[in-house]
Amino acid sequence: QKEVEQNSGPLSVPEGAIASLNCTYSDRGSQSFFWYRQYSGKSPELIMFIYSNGDKEDGRFTAQLNKASQYVSLLIRDSQPSDSATYLCAVNRANFGNEKLTFGTGTRLTIIP
Amino acid sequence: GAVVSQHPSWVICKSGTSVKIECRSLDFQATTMFWYRQFPKQSLMLMATSNEGSKATYEQGVEKDKFLINHASLTLSTLTVTSAHPEDSSFYICSAREDRVPGNTIYFGEGSWLTVV
Repeated sequence: QKEVEQNSGPLSVPEGAIASLNCTYSDRGSQSFFWYRQYSGKSPELIMFIYSNGDKEDGRFTAQLNKASQYVSLLIRDSQPSDSATYLCAVNRANFGNEKLTFGTGTRLTIIP
Repeated sequence: GAVVSQHPSWVICKSGTSVKIECRSLDFQATTMFWYRQFPKQSLMLMATSNEGSKATYEQGVEKDKFLINHASLTLSTLTVTSAHPEDSSFYICSAREDRVPGNTIYFGEGSWLTVV
């Protein structure tokens, strides 16, 4: 079982709709969770991070965490063509002084105009 | 937000030569930096954790003598790919965690494309 699993996609969503990206992780000791956006040929860009169960909203983005189910998701409202990218889920055990991110393989999202 | 800069953005080198990639935190101090490698259409794979003033911690399967890491200051870490071969061609990305900031926000550099011919 992979440590961090994502559906590789591609996921196609019409412009203006809600895009839903999912991620599961295997290590119950994981404490912090990140979503990164990566355009082709570019470095990942941090979108959001979440530590506590529940929802965290930032503009058009909402991260959802359920530690009991070992599940984290990212919702993108009012999807725009510029949101087309690969979205990487990353997980961190967050033992202070030993913080390493483990990445999923990413989900490729395409917003259809 | 915090900025991490990498140099060079891309480099082409001959097989058997060495290449150095720099990673700088521009507006914050970073005791710890991370080096990743990403092959096309694959995820980021952590190569090593770079610690200021001490030896880097390498992930299993990563040759420490081939991928030399030096973290000489709180704002600079370097990765040297020694005796590079075509299979080392990849996208190398560094990241850094800002010291003394609550939470574990980690920022990435722009990445460096290495092509070994």
